[in-house]
Amino acid sequence: DVKVTQSSRYLVKRTGEKVFLECVQDMDHENMFWYRQDPGLGLRLIYFSYDVKMKEKGDIPEGYSVSREKKERFSLILESASTNQTSMYLCASTTRLDTQYFGPGTRLTVL
Amino acid sequence: GQNIDQPTEMTATEGAIVQINCTYQTSGFNGLFWYQQHAGEAPTFLSYNVLDGLEEKGRFSSFLSRSKGYSYLLLKELQMKDSASYLCAVGPRSGNTGKLIFGQGTTLQVKP
Repeated sequence: DVKVTQSSRYLVKRTGEKVFLECVQDMDHENMFWYRQDPGLGLRLIYFSYDVKMKEKGDIPEGYSVSREKKERFSLILESASTNQTSMYLCASTTRLDTQYFGPGTRLTVL
Repeated sequence: GQNIDQPTEMTATEGAIVQINCTYQTSGFNGLFWYQQHAGEAPTFLSYNVLDGLEEKGRFSSFLSRSKGYSYLLLKELQMKDSASYLCAVGPRSGNTGKLIFGQGTTLQVKP
């Protein structure tokens, strides 16, 4: 079974803090994704990566950066957290022609 | 532009059949996915259609018409545990990134 894990299920941070969300997959997938999910807005793509050290902006990259130093690990970084980044963050991975497999999600609250 | 539309909410009765529709307009097409998401949990894969027609998988079936930009998810013999959000997602173009565009999801409530 494919397993995608995320570093935290729940996280509370203060405005201005630097926040790291980590995602690890164990299936040697090339492609990894970071989404945020908000009520009424659905899943929105922040960034994705199709290879180590390769990344592309998604639909809402502002305020975020990513890092992929190893194939199995994809990190999302909030450089200076703001209250409007309070959301559910979902990581996913896939091979080229397969479904996306999601991690359990991190519910981030920025106070 | 790229757009995926599905109803926001639906209600159905336990034991009944419900059809959740999805229409899409995307630049290219590389398959349509349906996911189920229970409250507070991650989406899980239900079905994948790339050719026209019906794909059946137990109580769940998914239909695709590429010429109409239309798909539906059919749930039979509804159970209370089917109460969840159902997400329609399209691979917008050929290629190998695995990138998907998601609809906003349809929240299905199954009542006794």
